[in-house]
Amino acid sequence: DVKVTQSSRYLVKRTGEKVFLECVQDMDHENMFWYRQDPGLGLRLIYFSYDVKMKEKGDIPEGYSVSREKKERFSLILESASTNQTSMYLCASSLVGWQNYGYTFGSGTRLTVV
Amino acid sequence: QQQVKQSPQSLIVQKGGISIINCAYENTAFDYFPWYQQFPGKGPALLIAIRPDVSEKKEGRFTISFNKSAKQFSLHIMDSQPGDSATYFCAASMKTQGGSEKLVFGKGTKLTVNP
Repeated sequence: DVKVTQSSRYLVKRTGEKVFLECVQDMDHENMFWYRQDPGLGLRLIYFSYDVKMKEKGDIPEGYSVSREKKERFSLILESASTNQTSMYLCASSLVGWQNYGYTFGSGTRLTVV
Repeated sequence: QQQVKQSPQSLIVQKGGISIINCAYENTAFDYFPWYQQFPGKGPALLIAIRPDVSEKKEGRFTISFNKSAKQFSLHIMDSQPGDSATYFCAASMKTQGGSEKLVFGKGTKLTVNP
């Protein structure tokens, strides 16, 4: 089974800190995604990457950046954390021909910004 | 419009009953419609999916009905079981300006199946 591992399950950071959320997948998937999940808002796409060093903005990229230096690792960066970025962050990965297999999600990182 | 509208927000069903979750969309560029199931503490997982050239797809107790003209699709869970209690997300896929594809998710439905 494909595994998507997010480095932290819970994280508490202070306002203004630079925050790194790490995601690693172990099945050579080309595509990787960062979503945030908020009650009543569902999953909203922040950024995604379809190849190493390639990235594309999702629907809510403001305040975030990403890095993909290796195929298996996709990092989400909060340049200056704010309280409105308190959320559950979900990383996902998929093959190029993903529609037969879907996305594989990690278990999430619950980030609290105080 | 890149939204997928999902209803209801929550649903309570008795064991053995039918659970129905509905989604609607506006963007005709959407070309693939999956449903994801999420249990507490876990990430969402693909449950079942349909393409717009098919009106219905069934996998076990789970059925997607798709109405292309109305731009609506729904998930039916037959003989609902307490183990089906989870949050369900509909989604739709579209090509991006960069030529890749992305999934747009609905806001989710929390299903509770009472024993």
